[in-house]
Amino acid sequence: QSVLTQPPSVSAAPGQKVTISCSGSSSNIGNNYVSWYQQLPGTAPKLLIYDNNKRPSGIPDRFSGSKSGTSATLGITGLQTGDEADYYCGTWDSSLSVGVFGGGTKLTVL
Amino acid sequence: EVHLLESGGGLVQPGGSLRLSCAASGFTFSNYAMTWVRQAPGKGLEWVSAIRESGDRTFYADSVKGRFTISRDNSKNTLYLQMNSLRAEDTAVYYCAKSPGRLGLFDFWGQGTLVTVSS
Repeated sequence: QSVLTQPPSVSAAPGQKVTISCSGSSSNIGNNYVSWYQQLPGTAPKLLIYDNNKRPSGIPDRFSGSKSGTSATLGITGLQTGDEADYYCGTWDSSLSVGVFGGGTKLTVL
Repeated sequence: EVHLLESGGGLVQPGGSLRLSCAASGFTFSNYAMTWVRQAPGKGLEWVSAIRESGDRTFYADSVKGRFTISRDNSKNTLYLQMNSLRAEDTAVYYCAKSPGRLGLFDFWGQGTLVTVSS
């Protein structure tokens, strides 16, 4: 049981847009920055979004992030088959003094 | 270029011990907190442990507290995870990750090392 809650799977057609939600509490998302990670099959996770809505160098602007209260959202536009991956949200929990992740969302591009 | 290379994984019997290492290069290791994250086969990411830049503060998930010890040698640019009293549920790929500026954020990850706990 993950501290952060994500939908297990989402799907959309190539070229379309998809959003992935991440729900937490005041001790984690509510008072800390959220980051998002992409894990392609058989590879290590890769930072996609940090500080709620910032993109590291090299990440296309098709990927966006937002946060409101105790929830965060990852958005992906112009879906490509290469975007098929597992996506994880993560943050710090100030009450528990531990890092926390969502359970992960598998994106399928139909 | 940042590079993190984990080693030390393998097959160990329940109750046994293992020490993982993570060799870092391409950045000033002593300026960054470091973290271990694991992923059981077919499962999601699980945060395991973190250590501050100087090594003076460490943090652990409840699932490993009292059994695992994180440490670092800034003179060798290396992060460690000493794992004792291993259980079947510790079976996972263990990743080390660099934390820029704050715990809970990981900007670079290693390729991972597999730990299998089985008799």
